[in-house]
Amino acid sequence: AQSVAQPEDQVNVAEGNPLTVKCTYSVSGNPYLFWYVQYPNRGLQFLLKYITGDNLVKGSYGFEAEFNKSQTSFHLKKPSALVSDSALYFCAVRDGMLTGGGNKLTFGTGTQLKVEL
Amino acid sequence: NAGVTQTPKFQVLKTGQSMTLQCAQDMNHNSMYWYRQDPGMGLRLIYYSASEGTTDKGEVPNGYNVSRLNKREFSLRLESAAPSQTSVYFCASTPPTGGNLNEQFFGPGTRLTVL
Repeated sequence: AQSVAQPEDQVNVAEGNPLTVKCTYSVSGNPYLFWYVQYPNRGLQFLLKYITGDNLVKGSYGFEAEFNKSQTSFHLKKPSALVSDSALYFCAVRDGMLTGGGNKLTFGTGTQLKVEL
Repeated sequence: NAGVTQTPKFQVLKTGQSMTLQCAQDMNHNSMYWYRQDPGMGLRLIYYSASEGTTDKGEVPNGYNVSRLNKREFSLRLESAAPSQTSVYFCASTPPTGGNLNEQFFGPGTRLTVL
């Protein structure tokens, strides 16, 4: 079974400060990990993914995420937050041992990021 | 490309009524998915279609049916709506290139209220 946890319902950060949104996962095989962002009244938008290779993944809008296998984590980061980054962020995982069945993902419960001036 | 489109955007139903949520993608994607989003629960998979002609249950299929009409269209039907089905429904699709490792593309959602 695959699962993902986002331990923080909300993260508050001042504009210009670095931000981190936490994600931990559980899978049987190798994990395939994704981050999505959702702005109010919109669908989810893809930010970045980790499949294999470099543990630091760079994505859209200046976001990056660090894969840590020993801690089973995939935290989303940005060096300098913007007010426009305020949104709902979802982490998702797929177990690499799964075959077929399309690209089923398991999503976390989401973390609301609020960036204030 | 319009991407993933969903209709309607909003719908209010009375308990016991039926309706079909429509989803279409024009990106030649193979796999399509239906999710519901509820506060504090993230996205939960209702049904998915790995390819044209196949459908499978997800995490929360009870009370729903689906039809993969063709490669482009994947509809979700509520036969007898219940207040517990009040939610925001999202359709998504995955491109065929790269196997099973591609990200999902999401539609704008349908907000459904069941009274």
